[in-house]
Amino acid sequence: ELKVEQNPLFLSMQEGKNYTIYCNYSTTSDRLYWYRQDPGKSLESLFVLLSNGAVKQEGRLMASLDTKARLSTLHITAAVHDLSATYFCAVTTFYNQGGKLIFGQGTELSVKP
Amino acid sequence: DTEVTQTPKHLVMGMTNKKSLKCEQHMGHRAMYWYKQKAKKPPELMFVYSYEKLSINESVPSRFSPECPNSSLLNLHLHALQPEDSALYLCASSHPDGEQFFGPGTRLTVL
Repeated sequence: ELKVEQNPLFLSMQEGKNYTIYCNYSTTSDRLYWYRQDPGKSLESLFVLLSNGAVKQEGRLMASLDTKARLSTLHITAAVHDLSATYFCAVTTFYNQGGKLIFGQGTELSVKP
Repeated sequence: DTEVTQTPKHLVMGMTNKKSLKCEQHMGHRAMYWYKQKAKKPPELMFVYSYEKLSINESVPSRFSPECPNSSLLNLHLHALQPEDSALYLCASSHPDGEQFFGPGTRLTVL
């Protein structure tokens, strides 16, 4: 059974600091997704990582994928309050349309002044 | 159009009511999904439609009945729900690379 684990589950950061969220998954998968969810809102797609060594950056967020280690990281650089949200990683069980997304537990990020 | 739309945004229903949630996408995606999400938890998959056929049913109680009238529309019919079914219901459609795009959700309260 495919399992996805994130850590930490809660993260309180000061503005301007850097931190990394980790996402481990239990079986082989070449595709990993990061989503953001604001309180009371839906999920917003942040990154799609489709191959080993993939690295993507958007603003203060950078995501990477190591399929051999079954690990993805979401690195936050110089955090700002607007980044406060819950971040989910997810892995798909197969690669055609209709694949099942398995989500991690989510990391609740709070950025304080 | 890169949006998934859902109606209604909020729904309050009694345990004897029948209601429906609606979802629409015009991105040409051929897979559509229903998820249920409780507070502080990840989304839980309920149903997957692929090419308008039900391909995955995650052992969802029969009081939830999905329907896919065409490639752009997805409905979720609700009947005799329980208070524990109160949650955020999310619809999604997926790009061929597996990326799923989520609608804004319907916040359901069952009294």
